[in-house]
Amino acid sequence: KNQVEQSPQSLIILEGKNCTLQCNYTVSPFSNLRWYKQDTGRGPVSLTIMTFSENTKSNGRYTATLDADTKQSSLHITASQLSDSASYICVVSGGNNRLAFGKGNQVVVIP
Amino acid sequence: SQTIHQWPATLVQPVGSPLSLECTVEGTSNPNLYWYRQAAGRGLQLLFYSVGIGQISSEVPQNLSASRPQDRQFILSSKKLLLSDSGFYLCAWSVEVLSSGYTFGSGTRLTVV
Repeated sequence: KNQVEQSPQSLIILEGKNCTLQCNYTVSPFSNLRWYKQDTGRGPVSLTIMTFSENTKSNGRYTATLDADTKQSSLHITASQLSDSASYICVVSGGNNRLAFGKGNQVVVIP
Repeated sequence: SQTIHQWPATLVQPVGSPLSLECTVEGTSNPNLYWYRQAAGRGLQLLFYSVGIGQISSEVPQNLSASRPQDRQFILSSKKLLLSDSGFYLCAWSVEVLSSGYTFGSGTRLTVV
């Protein structure tokens, strides 16, 4: 079973609307969690990193939350733009060289 | 600043032909280097990682091999490609080994025909 589960698998939203992506993990112990954005045909780019003590972190219109007790994270996109169309990958580090990748949330923003 | 270069961007190769993908990092010393493969609808699969020159760790048995002839150079190779080797290959580097703080290359789309 994958240690990082992301939902929804894919999402279509209208330009200007908000959306929230979910990441549930079972990795333990927990070191940090990152969200990456991967444009089609490109390498992933880090958006945010959150450690155990952090509950929320923003990067422009992207806001990530973390609940380390329930082992859940979310990525909220505000006022979506066409350039937000991408795959968003949740990556959880458990320390001691353990790293688990989610399969990604595919977001398509339509005008 | 650190940069990572990966080439070629796309490659179409016949079954049974050799493969060589190259990745170089600039602006840092002794990076941890990685090769990942990403299949459609699936997550990133770690193929190889290297913590130093000549040190290669293989994560999954496969038709591919990796080498690190220089500190900031990582090469992915195959002697004879299979159809199942098709995919999107990503090189990455990090300061801490197998830490989530990766910087990825731009990827190589390999199609084996």
